[in-house]
Amino acid sequence: KAGVTQTPRYLIKTRGQQVTLSCSPISGHRSVSWYQQTPGQGLQFLFEYFSETQRNKGNFPGRFSGRQFSNSRSEMNVSTLELGDSALYLCASSLAGAEGNTIYFGEGSWLTVV
Amino acid sequence: GQSLEQPSEVTAVEGAIVQINCTYQTSGFYGLSWYQQHDGGAPTFLSYNALDGLEETGRFSSFLSRSDSYGYLLLQELQMKDSASYFCAGGNAGNMLTFGGGTRLMVKP
Repeated sequence: KAGVTQTPRYLIKTRGQQVTLSCSPISGHRSVSWYQQTPGQGLQFLFEYFSETQRNKGNFPGRFSGRQFSNSRSEMNVSTLELGDSALYLCASSLAGAEGNTIYFGEGSWLTVV
Repeated sequence: GQSLEQPSEVTAVEGAIVQINCTYQTSGFYGLSWYQQHDGGAPTFLSYNALDGLEETGRFSSFLSRSDSYGYLLLQELQMKDSASYFCAGGNAGNMLTFGGGTRLMVKP
């Protein structure tokens, strides 16, 4: 069974631009969550989608948004990029909510903002 | 909200046993998970404790005490490949995990 797939793996953007990251969950998984990882702040929860609905949202500004499609694939968007948005963005999927909190991460998208 | 504290770094020798502790302050807590992350890689699931007690998976064991707001990950028969960062995470409904700051484990020959 294929794992969580994220694209693109690496990207460089300029301040003020926007970026869209894509995530394909493990087949059959309906919950997709997004995390940001930085050396300073660690792993932080961005948001979680289940059946195309945002179920939870972390403490991030409105520039960070996401959506989920009917096939469970998800995208996240960051608008008006800032230098501090440089991070590893991780997508994770699971069958449903709170099932042992076992979530499976993709390899991540490395975003550098210059 | 939740906050989870774990040591920033632990060093041990190959073949030894190491314990990584995690203390937490939380509300709405479902359980404690542990993830391993090698440099440049993605976090991978190791273990989950929903109930108090010990969970064993091969060389790895995890323990939870809700009354003490404390858990640990125990790694036995350490191997060089176990050198990585280890994160404890507190779970809420809807797969919203709050991660500790991570413990960097260095295994020396």
